[in-house]
Amino acid sequence: KQEVTQIPAALSVPEGENLVLNCSFTDSAIYNLQWFRQDPGKGLTSLLLIQSSQREQTSGRLNASLDKSSGRSTLYIAASQPGDSATYLCAVSGGGADGLTFGKGTHLIIQP
Amino acid sequence: ETGVTQSPTHLIKTRGQQVTLRCSSQSGHNTVSWYQQALGQGPQFIFQYYREEENGRGNFPPRFSGLQFPNYSSELNVNALELDDSALYLCASSHQRGSITGELFFGEGSRLTVL
Repeated sequence: KQEVTQIPAALSVPEGENLVLNCSFTDSAIYNLQWFRQDPGKGLTSLLLIQSSQREQTSGRLNASLDKSSGRSTLYIAASQPGDSATYLCAVSGGGADGLTFGKGTHLIIQP
Repeated sequence: ETGVTQSPTHLIKTRGQQVTLRCSSQSGHNTVSWYQQALGQGPQFIFQYYREEENGRGNFPPRFSGLQFPNYSSELNVNALELDDSALYLCASSHQRGSITGELFFGEGSRLTVL
């Protein structure tokens, strides 16, 4: 059974800092990995999708890496802003109809 | 191109009642899946529908059931509500090619409170 762990559970940093969020998964047989952002009480916004054959994806100030063999992914946020405050969720897919397996998320606060 | 929309946004039910939640898929998507997110937890996969049939299911009892319609919209039905069913219910749509489910796009969710 796939399990996804996200570290740290919570993080508070001053505005402008670069930061890294970590995600690990137990079964390396994944099809893809997605990073999502969730604002309080809201739905999920897809940030980045990495296929199993890829090593990284970039979108603006966000960069996600994937090391499938070691079961790890990182989300790098450059020059953090107060608007980046949210919960960030990592999820892996086996590619079939078994749905995504999510971690519990990292609650991020960027201090102005 | 419209995104994934869910209704209602909030609702309150009492234990033992039944509830129906609705979801309209993103344009061009043929697959819909439902997730339950308890407070402080990551979403948990309930089931997935493709071509109006359930083709994947998580660890949820049969009182959680669903439908997918020809226009790819969907319903989630929960019977005999329990207090632990209180959660945010998220719908996601995607495009399935062959046996592979693509990137998921989520709606804003329906917040269910069971008293």
